[in-house]
Amino acid sequence: DQQVKQNSPSLSVQEGRISILNCDYTNSMFDYFLWYKKYPAEGPTFLISISSIKDKNEDGRFTVFLNKSAKHLSLHIVPSQPGDSAVYFCAASAYTSGGSYIPTFGRGTSLIVHP
Amino acid sequence: DTGVSQDPRHKITKRGQNVTFRCDPISEHNRLYWYRQTLGQGPEFLTYFQNEAQLEKSRLLSDRFSAERPKGSFSTLEIQRTEQGDSAMYLCASSLFLTAAHSPLHFGNGTRLTVT
Repeated sequence: DQQVKQNSPSLSVQEGRISILNCDYTNSMFDYFLWYKKYPAEGPTFLISISSIKDKNEDGRFTVFLNKSAKHLSLHIVPSQPGDSAVYFCAASAYTSGGSYIPTFGRGTSLIVHP
Repeated sequence: DTGVSQDPRHKITKRGQNVTFRCDPISEHNRLYWYRQTLGQGPEFLTYFQNEAQLEKSRLLSDRFSAERPKGSFSTLEIQRTEQGDSAMYLCASSLFLTAAHSPLHFGNGTRLTVT
């Protein structure tokens, strides 16, 4: 059973517009959320994160919003650029009983930004 | 380059053979993770180390899989008697754990295993 869900396998956006990538989770114990970007033939690259004590975190063109009651987070990219074309993974983590922190990943959303 | 390094980048092997992958984490990072990714899926957790201690293993990790981090630096992941279902990208990641602070994982470029 997937604990982190990215229900849109792909998203196509025009350059300069906003890209909104969505993620839902089921485990209420998750308290830290991350977004990763992945180009072909490379490993995932950390993009931005948010703790459960916040509802928004911003870093340049990237903003992550967290709605704990809905168990939903989203990544906004404004303005979108062709270089943003990649697969975006949402990840969530909670400390295990052993004191470990192990991120669980969604299946990813492929973003294509058209010039 | 001071990022996470994985070797080899690609490995093709015949079913039943043993394979070993190596991961060199970012030097000051004390946690090291192994994940596996198949087509259309996100990375799935396999196991992780804090320094040289292997602290958790996923139920996905069958007894054919073994991982070590002998001196708390590099790590190896061995798969014995490979099966076609083991074909995947094997990703290594590291992070710096300080007290209870969250720290993002930094991934290498992976080792792509193909079992024929």
